[in-house]
Amino acid sequence: AQSVTQLDSQVPVFEEAPVELRCNYSSSVSVYLFWYVQYPNQGLQLLLKYLSGSTLVKGINGFEAEFNKSQTSFHLRKPSVHISDTAEYFCAVSGQAGTALIFGKGTTLSVSS
Amino acid sequence: DTGVSQNPRHKITKRGQNVTFRCDPISEHNRLYWYRQTLGQGPEFLTYFQNEAQLEKSRLLSDRFSAERPKGSFSTLEIQRTEQGDSAMYLCASRTDQETQYFGPGTRLLVL
Repeated sequence: AQSVTQLDSQVPVFEEAPVELRCNYSSSVSVYLFWYVQYPNQGLQLLLKYLSGSTLVKGINGFEAEFNKSQTSFHLRKPSVHISDTAEYFCAVSGQAGTALIFGKGTTLSVSS
Repeated sequence: DTGVSQNPRHKITKRGQNVTFRCDPISEHNRLYWYRQTLGQGPEFLTYFQNEAQLEKSRLLSDRFSAERPKGSFSTLEIQRTEQGDSAMYLCASRTDQETQYFGPGTRLLVL
């Protein structure tokens, strides 16, 4: 079975500061990894994904994530956040068979000035 | 692409009533998923269609829940005899045989 643990439920940061949102997963098989963002009362928008290849993945809005197989982690980073980055962020995993996504509980990123 | 659309966006109903939600996937996406998201939680998988065939159902999908995808296009999710615990956001996602799921805006259900 697969599972995802997002280690921080809330991350408050000041504008223009760097941020890291942590995600660990467990799986007995190879996986695909994803980060989604959800703004209030909206659906989920894909930020980035790791399928194979380079372990450093760049996504939209200046976000990037690094896949670390030995540590089973897929942490999300941004070097300088904006107020508009305030949202809920979800890490997700799926098997390479491409079935349903398994989500973490989410991390609320709050950016203040 | 116009994206995944879901209707209605909001639904308020009384306990015991039936409700039906609709999802229109991105055209030519052969795979369609339903998820449920409760407050403060990540989405949880409910069921999955490949074309018109329902291939997988979560144990979360009780007998009161039924989903269909006639002709492999839009899908409906019906909840019979709603309970207050059914209050949640119901999300639909679709994809091709590639890996990325694209989500709709969701239907927020409130059962009074």
